[in-house]
Amino acid sequence: DTAVSQTPKYLVTQMGNDKSIKCEQNLGHDTMYWYKQDSKKFLKIMFSYNNKELIINETVPNRFSPKSPDKAHLNLHINSLELGDSAVYFCASSQAGPLRQFFGPGTRLTVL
Amino acid sequence: ELKVEQNPLFLSMQEGKNYTIYCNYSTTSDRLYWYRQDPGKSLESLFVLLSNGAVKQEGRLMASLDTKARLSTLHITAAVHDLSATYFCAVDPGYGGSQGNLIFGKGTKLSVKP
Repeated sequence: DTAVSQTPKYLVTQMGNDKSIKCEQNLGHDTMYWYKQDSKKFLKIMFSYNNKELIINETVPNRFSPKSPDKAHLNLHINSLELGDSAVYFCASSQAGPLRQFFGPGTRLTVL
Repeated sequence: ELKVEQNPLFLSMQEGKNYTIYCNYSTTSDRLYWYRQDPGKSLESLFVLLSNGAVKQEGRLMASLDTKARLSTLHITAAVHDLSATYFCAVDPGYGGSQGNLIFGKGTKLSVKP
């Protein structure tokens, strides 16, 4: 059973398009996250979300928006895609508190 | 702003040798994590260190945390090829709404050669 899953695994699109990446976790966790890993493998938190609060990293452009239809899902919507958005996006989840985060397999986004 | 620095960023080792990866961070925190990432793969949690002096070991890897020095180490004993991967440390700011929003180091790419 996959604990944290993401779709699609690969996403190739043109500049200016709008796209979404889906994330689902079956661990019963309270909190979900989105991270961006750039071409130099540097990982940066974008958002964290539980059923009460959304924390946004202030450096994330407002073209990025997380949407959570329920506790087990946190999708990432990206509007007006730019070349610099090309990266691998990881979803993660954890229980509340200082516990380990479980990462999804990643979505490699390529913007042409 | 919390900053996390790892060194070295690249490490080439021979099998059977020992080495240590260092992780320094800039502000007070007692929540530090080590992750492993294989090429093209996701991140796998290795250790969670939650107090000063915490030491955890699994197989050939041992991690420790000194919160006063703001330093964590990942020690590799008698390296084997299967340990080749990129190792990340990450720190939880642990305050207010930023809890859980891990700040990652740049990663240490480890290559173990025969």
